[in-house]
Amino acid sequence: GAVVSQHPSRVICKSGTSVKIECRSLDFQATTMFWYRQFPKKSLMLMATSNEGSKATYEQGVEKDKFLINHASLTLSTLTVTSAHPEDSSFYICSARVRGRLNTGELFFGEGSRLTVL
Amino acid sequence: AQSVTQLDSHVSVSEGTPVLLRCNYSSSYSPSLFWYVQHPNKGLQLLLKYTSAATLVKGINGFEAEFKKSETSFHLTKPSAHMSDAAEYFCVVSDRDDKIIFGKGTRLHILP
Repeated sequence: GAVVSQHPSRVICKSGTSVKIECRSLDFQATTMFWYRQFPKKSLMLMATSNEGSKATYEQGVEKDKFLINHASLTLSTLTVTSAHPEDSSFYICSARVRGRLNTGELFFGEGSRLTVL
Repeated sequence: AQSVTQLDSHVSVSEGTPVLLRCNYSSSYSPSLFWYVQHPNKGLQLLLKYTSAATLVKGINGFEAEFKKSETSFHLTKPSAHMSDAAEYFCVVSDRDDKIIFGKGTRLHILP
């Protein structure tokens, strides 16, 4: 099956610094990548939809200047949490949709990144 | 508008007994339906999917689900639970507008 690699899996940073999380599709081209945030014991909250070569589409309530998303190629999307604060601590998950495949809605997920802001 | 409801936030079963995780959906069109599993601090893994083919869908690890249009349900079942099945399970619906909606999840606990 299609593999999505997310890095780093865990990151601890100081308040005020920026953190970048990478999401790569290893064996397929992804037209669309999605970024989610998951709070403890909660479902996934869609933050933004990232399309290669264009600006990301953010969900209502998500600060685009704080959560910068770049989708530079068909295999890489990055999420940068700028000026991180403790309330940004969370589990961030990316997913990708296969390019060219009939859009059944099937998603392939990364392993997630646990961000802890001190 | 489409939606998905997972009726139980927690389900506990004994090892070796059947598992039933319930999911009901609402969609204006013929939806695609999915079940994903998430183990602690991990991403989501696809268990199975329904995309308008056979209504009884078999997935990995012995799981299966049946699409029942009359009941707008897509319940997940497994004949015999294993300790390794303990995880969070998400029912997901996608319609022809490509919007993907996650259920709130069901935590499955397996009792020894």
